[in-house]
Amino acid sequence: EVQLVESGGGKVQPGGSLRLSCAASGFTFSDYWMYWVRQAPGKGLVWVSRIDSDGSTTRYADSVKGRFTISRDNAKNTLYLQMNNLRADDTGVYYCAYYHNAFDVWGQGTTVTVSS
Amino acid sequence: SAVLTQPPSVSVAPGQTARVTCGGYNFRSRSVHWYQQRPGLAPALVVFDDSDRPSGIPERFSGSNSGNTATLTISRVEAGDEADYYCQVWDSGSDHWLFGGGTKLTVL
Repeated sequence: EVQLVESGGGKVQPGGSLRLSCAASGFTFSDYWMYWVRQAPGKGLVWVSRIDSDGSTTRYADSVKGRFTISRDNAKNTLYLQMNNLRADDTGVYYCAYYHNAFDVWGQGTTVTVSS
Repeated sequence: SAVLTQPPSVSVAPGQTARVTCGGYNFRSRSVHWYQQRPGLAPALVVFDDSDRPSGIPERFSGSNSGNTATLTISRVEAGDEADYYCQVWDSGSDHWLFGGGTKLTVL
């Protein structure tokens, strides 16, 4: 069974940092591009970042560029999102997803709260 | 704010047909994907590449793409279909993924 499990969320003060993890199982992780998507409370889905299968190419939404870094460890079947200089509008649930036909499988999400 | 335009809400009686539209973009030569998000849960893919269904998604879910508007159609709507639905497309110019603002489907 394909499974993605996010972790690392929590409450942090504005300007702080968090690192999210997404543990993958049930598929050949190193074959697939991976994504992060977030959802502010009561709002819609917003694409955050993507990384290709070997980690050589990354892309970011304008709202997080320069503050967030996506990476992966194919030996550990794990995707990461390093989030620095966090702002209140970064608050929300962060999902990882893998791309096959589309964003085929999503994790359950991890909640990030940026507040003083 | 979302680039892709969806109606905020659609209401339909059980057994009827619900149509959720997605516009505000030139979908020509672009594949549109649709996701269902039930309250408190992660999104789930229900239609990909305009009109294909992942394994396990009922035939009641179908999609179309006319170039200016993409449409998710849910036939014989059931109470369990009540959820938020999001359209998605890849924008080649920016190499970014775009989501619609979401449509809340209410089953009366």
